[in-house]
Amino acid sequence: DAGVIQSPRHEVTEMGQEVTLRCKPISGHNSLFWYRQTMMRGLELLIYFNNNVPIDDSGMPEDRFSAKMPNASFSTLKIQPSEPRDSAVYFCASSLGRAVVLQFFGPGTRLTVL
Amino acid sequence: AQSVSQHNHHVILSEAASLELGCNYSYGGTVNLFWYVQYPGQHLQLLLKYFSGDPLVKGIKGFEAEFIKSKFSFNLRKPSVQWSDTAEYFCAVIASAGSARQLTFGSGTQLTVLP
Repeated sequence: DAGVIQSPRHEVTEMGQEVTLRCKPISGHNSLFWYRQTMMRGLELLIYFNNNVPIDDSGMPEDRFSAKMPNASFSTLKIQPSEPRDSAVYFCASSLGRAVVLQFFGPGTRLTVL
Repeated sequence: AQSVSQHNHHVILSEAASLELGCNYSYGGTVNLFWYVQYPGQHLQLLLKYFSGDPLVKGIKGFEAEFIKSKFSFNLRKPSVQWSDTAEYFCAVIASAGSARQLTFGSGTQLTVLP
């Protein structure tokens, strides 16, 4: 298995632009998580899905952030409009089952908002 | 809600030195505990985990961790570090039961091993 796939690996954009991050979970996994990693706040859970349904989005920082999972093999995290403080590494992870004990992480997307 | 504290933000060691990274959690119930490692430019990888049983857990690459329930701790250890162990290490905790469990991470400890 290729593991969790994220794209792009690096994104540099200007403030105010829309940013879309993509994730393909491990085949057969039915839980998917989006995390944000910054120096100041460490690793934070933004949102997680189970069977394509958002279960907990309490970690989403504000309305500029949105996430979708249209099918079992694809999810997006969108920031519109982006701001410099959104600069971070965004990780996607997937696991089998709703009991999220063992998650497999993707390589992350390093986002820089100028 | 659970929380995780890693008090050492940056640890610098020479090769062959012994390592201990602290991890304390706060949660009133039973937990599962994890250590993840993130090598430079790479993604998070599971280093070891504790679910139940022997509180001394052995992981990959010679790492081990000991769960001390009375101290709410799950410290990571390695008797002799190598330059290749330079990475960021994250402790994580999840409640063992409940319908809305989340994996909660500590803020991470950056380990630098000098050759």
